[in-house]
Amino acid sequence: GAVVSQHPSRVICKSGTSVKIECRSLDFQATTMFWYRQFPKQSLMLMATSNEGSKATYEQGVEKDKFLINHASLTLSTLTVTSAHPEDSSFYICSASRYRGISNQPQHFGDGTRLSIL
Amino acid sequence: RKEVEQDPGPFNVPEGATVAFNCTYSNSASQSFFWYRQDCRKEPKLLMSVYSSGNEDGRFTAQLNRASQYISLLIRDSKLSDSATYLCVVSPRSNAGGTSYGKLTFGQGTILTVHP
Repeated sequence: GAVVSQHPSRVICKSGTSVKIECRSLDFQATTMFWYRQFPKQSLMLMATSNEGSKATYEQGVEKDKFLINHASLTLSTLTVTSAHPEDSSFYICSASRYRGISNQPQHFGDGTRLSIL
Repeated sequence: RKEVEQDPGPFNVPEGATVAFNCTYSNSASQSFFWYRQDCRKEPKLLMSVYSSGNEDGRFTAQLNRASQYISLLIRDSKLSDSATYLCVVSPRSNAGGTSYGKLTFGQGTILTVHP
């Protein structure tokens, strides 16, 4: 089946550091990738939608200058948390969709990145 | 009001029990519906899509009532390995602007623990 790889799986760093997370679709071309965040004991919340070759669409309340998304190829999207602070500590998960414009196809999720800012 | 609401549980049931989860959604324009399961500190994994006619996959049965905006999941003959958080997930109708394509809205999840 389709596989989405996310790297790194775990990051611990100091406040003020910028952290880049990669999301790769390994055996299909992902026209759309999604970035989610999950705080402890809460559900996944969509942060942004990333379409290959165009600017990401951010959800309300998500700062686009804080969470930089790049989707330069059909197999790779990156999320950079700039100048991370302890409140950014969370579980970040990407998902990839083969299809653009078809919402009834399930997405494939990466393994997630657990980010801890000290 | 949350877009997707679930009873958070936890549900603690013995092996072999039948357990049912409910979910309601607020956006009547929602188009696609799923149940995912998420194990502790892991990514969510698709359990099954939910269709208007209802659908079954082994011990799992999903139902959708569009008029009531209600989704359910029934698990029969529970196994220890069924212990997880079950997420009700809704996707809105695609629109010409493209911003809703594939967006998933997750419920807060229902925790299930199956014990021996």
